[in-house]
Amino acid sequence: LAKTTQPISMDSYEGQEVNITCSHNNIATNDYITWYQQFPSQGPRFIIQGYKTKVTNEVASLFIPADRKSSTLSLPRVSLSDTAVYYCLPASNTGRRALTFGSGTRLQVQP
Amino acid sequence: DSGVTQTPKHLITATGQRVTLRCSPRSGDLSVYWYQQSLDQGLQFLIQYYNGEERAKGNILERFSAQQFPDLHSELNLSSLELGDSALYFCASSTRDRGYDEQFFGPGTRLTVL
Repeated sequence: LAKTTQPISMDSYEGQEVNITCSHNNIATNDYITWYQQFPSQGPRFIIQGYKTKVTNEVASLFIPADRKSSTLSLPRVSLSDTAVYYCLPASNTGRRALTFGSGTRLQVQP
Repeated sequence: DSGVTQTPKHLITATGQRVTLRCSPRSGDLSVYWYQQSLDQGLQFLIQYYNGEERAKGNILERFSAQQFPDLHSELNLSSLELGDSALYFCASSTRDRGYDEQFFGPGTRLTVL
């Protein structure tokens, strides 16, 4: 199982770019990296997913280096509504394996 | 709204009791996942079912059990409850049984054990 490590918390200001890194040193060949966002007392919500290099969608970018031992979620120009907990999840493209979310990074965006 | 429903929303019970949490997945989704999230903690994967069969198991206590029924709804049974079982319990669903599939989470059931 990929053991993941994330910073416990980060602070930012509105309009700044925020980068949150997740370390997953023993990631398996078949694992993809998925990031979820969670607001207080709500279920997590999918943000983005990738396998290697860079993936971009309308809300975020995901950078995964060639060795795939880490991944960085990039949130451009954050707003107050981006204040949430962000989780990374290395998971296989096959089934039958327990899922291990990262411990989560609490992002606080200040005005 | 993710399309996943969970009932009840809140549950207050006493130590030693047994409770059942219910989850209805999104229409068309065959996989159901259960997670436990204690106060200010991360998501702990409990178990996954796919089309009625157990697919993957996490650190689920022996006092906990789950099943997925033919109509694809799922139930999580928690017995001999302890104070430490107080938590938010989330259900999620996905289309297939692959670990990396996008999961759609329900609003959760908040369990309080007194």
